Amino acid sequence: DAGVTQSPTHLIKTRGQHVTLRCSPISGHKSVSWYQQVLGQGPQFIFQYYEKEERGRGNFPDRFSARQFPNYSSELNVNALLLGDSALYLCASTSEFTGSYGYTFGSGTRLTVV
Amino acid sequence: GQSLEQPSEVTAVEGAIVQINCTYQTSGFYGLSWYQQHDGGAPTFLSYNGLDGLEETGRFSSFLSRSDSYGYLLLQELQMKDSASYFCAVRARMDSSYKLIFGSGTRLLVRP
Repeated sequence: DAGVTQSPTHLIKTRGQHVTLRCSPISGHKSVSWYQQVLGQGPQFIFQYYEKEERGRGNFPDRFSARQFPNYSSELNVNALLLGDSALYLCASTSEFTGSYGYTFGSGTRLTVV
Repeated sequence: GQSLEQPSEVTAVEGAIVQINCTYQTSGFYGLSWYQQHDGGAPTFLSYNGLDGLEETGRFSSFLSRSDSYGYLLLQELQMKDSASYFCAVRARMDSSYKLIFGSGTRLLVRP
């Protein structure tokens, strides 16, 4: 089985632009979470989606939005990019809502805003 | 607030044993996880403690004391490939979601 796949792997954008990042969870996993990891720090929670509904949101501005599709894949959108949005964006999938069976992370999308 | 503290760097010799400590202050605590991340890679799950005590998985062991808000990861028979960043992460329930709250990570350097 394929693991969590994310695309693109790398991306360079200009300040003020918009970006869409994509994630496909492990087959059968219904919950997808997004994390932002700034260099030298631990990942920070952005969103959790379960069964196509937003179930939680971290301390991020409204410029960040996401959605989950019927096949459980997910998109993270960031509008009006700022230099500070440069980070590794990680997607994690879990088989059920609580994550009690563990989180599997994708390799991430490295976003650079110039 | 939510906070986790772990040492920023640890250096050890190949074949040795190293312990990485983690103290936390969070609400909605469900358990403590440990993840390994090599430079440029994804965090990889190592161990999870939902209850007090020791969990052993091969060369890695993890311990949790909920009353002390403390846990540690023990790595035995260190190998060069163990050089990586190690994160403790609290699994927490916040409102209607479950999430991982990560520490800032401990960079482990294994020397020959």
